[in-house]
Amino acid sequence: EVQLVESGGGLVQPGGSLRLCCTASGFTLSTAAMSWVRQAPGKGLEWVSGSANTGESAHYADSVRGRFIISRDNSKNTVCLVMNSLRAEDTAVYYCAKDKHYWSAMDYWGQGTLVTVSS
Amino acid sequence: QSALTQPASVSGSPGQSITISCTGTSSDVGGYDHVSWYQQHPGKAPKLMIYDVTNRPSGVSDRFSGSKSGNTAFLIISGLQAEDDADYYCNSFTGSSPLVVFGGGTKLTVL
Repeated sequence: EVQLVESGGGLVQPGGSLRLCCTASGFTLSTAAMSWVRQAPGKGLEWVSGSANTGESAHYADSVRGRFIISRDNSKNTVCLVMNSLRAEDTAVYYCAKDKHYWSAMDYWGQGTLVTVSS
Repeated sequence: QSALTQPASVSGSPGQSITISCTGTSSDVGGYDHVSWYQQHPGKAPKLMIYDVTNRPSGVSDRFSGSKSGNTAFLIISGLQAEDDADYYCNSFTGSSPLVVFGGGTKLTVL
């Protein structure tokens, strides 16, 4: 059974940093591209970042480029998102998602981890 | 890339059929057959319902189907059931930055 479990969320002050990680099980991580998708309270879904299966390429939304860094360790079945220079507008539930096909078909999702940026 | 455009809400009675549209541009929806649809119940993670415009993942009811015409994709739900009451999101591969764009979401109310 495929499972994705996010960790690392919490309350952080504006300008601070946080590291989210997603631990995968039930499939071989090196065969799948992975994405982080966020959802601000009461709002819609926003794709944040993606990592190709080998980790050789990383992609970002314009809203986080230069502040967030995605990485993966296929040997440890983890995908992480380091978030720097956090802003109030980064407050959201962050989901880790497995890609089925061409990045847009996310067939498995974690339960999400809440990030709150507030002083 | 701007978010894809979806109607804010749609509604239907049990047994009826409804259609949700998702409008983009030739750079996303119109340029690729990589449009997906997700169902999200309150407090839950999204669930993939349709991918690559028309394909249903294993386990998804055949009451859900998808299509595309030009820059607009459609999710069709037939034989509405109470459990279909949820938010629905479309997304599309773009081939550029950002790699994926989502629609704003549609609230489906089963009357």
